[in-house]
Amino acid sequence: QNVVTQEPSFSVSPGGTVTLTCGLSSGSVSTSYFPSWYQQTPGQAPRTLIYSTNTRSSGVPDRFSGSILGNKAALTITGAQADDDSHYYCVLYMGSGIVLFGGGTKLTVL
Amino acid sequence: QVTLKESGPALVKPTQTLTLTCTFSGFSLSTSPMRVSWVRQPPGKALEWLARIDWDDDKFYSTSLKTRLTISKDTSKNQVVLTMTNMDPVDTATYYCARTNGYTYYFDYWGQGTLVTVPS
Repeated sequence: QNVVTQEPSFSVSPGGTVTLTCGLSSGSVSTSYFPSWYQQTPGQAPRTLIYSTNTRSSGVPDRFSGSILGNKAALTITGAQADDDSHYYCVLYMGSGIVLFGGGTKLTVL
Repeated sequence: QVTLKESGPALVKPTQTLTLTCTFSGFSLSTSPMRVSWVRQPPGKALEWLARIDWDDDKFYSTSLKTRLTISKDTSKNQVVLTMTNMDPVDTATYYCARTNGYTYYFDYWGQGTLVTVPS
């Protein structure tokens, strides 16, 4: 079975730019996988950031953007802020009604 | 205003069956193209999609868990029910329900989650 891969951890300085990626253990991610991204802080439900590759959910600041970079989906945070220090998860639609979560990336802002 | 809320037992013994209910408001699960999924998260670990039911009663399950899961809906009560058989300590997790609206397969609204513990 295909596995959705994410970097386990990443760090960025306040004001910096970071790109998190979402790939597949076998194959390339395209817009047909409808990649979406979620932010989660400890003890809270996930918050939807990006869907359909690059559409920001309502109320999400424009410093968050989504794209396809090479063979992966990507979430870029431009001008990172302290409260971006969170876990980030991607979701891919695998077909036949199945979606898969990535293992998540812990982003540290320091 | 769309809301979802999970309910169910906080503690389940090994081998027992877990039954969770997602009660929602602000939308109808008999209206195309509404869908409700269950997602879980073991303590300190990643999110995992479990199952989904659609407005037309189509049902989809995680490949690895499908033999243990059953999802159903009661549109008159605005509820979605998930049952998971043969519970094990590794099933200890926070269980979330989440809505999908449309054909882009993302979760636009989430419940607050409910922690289910299976003691060893």
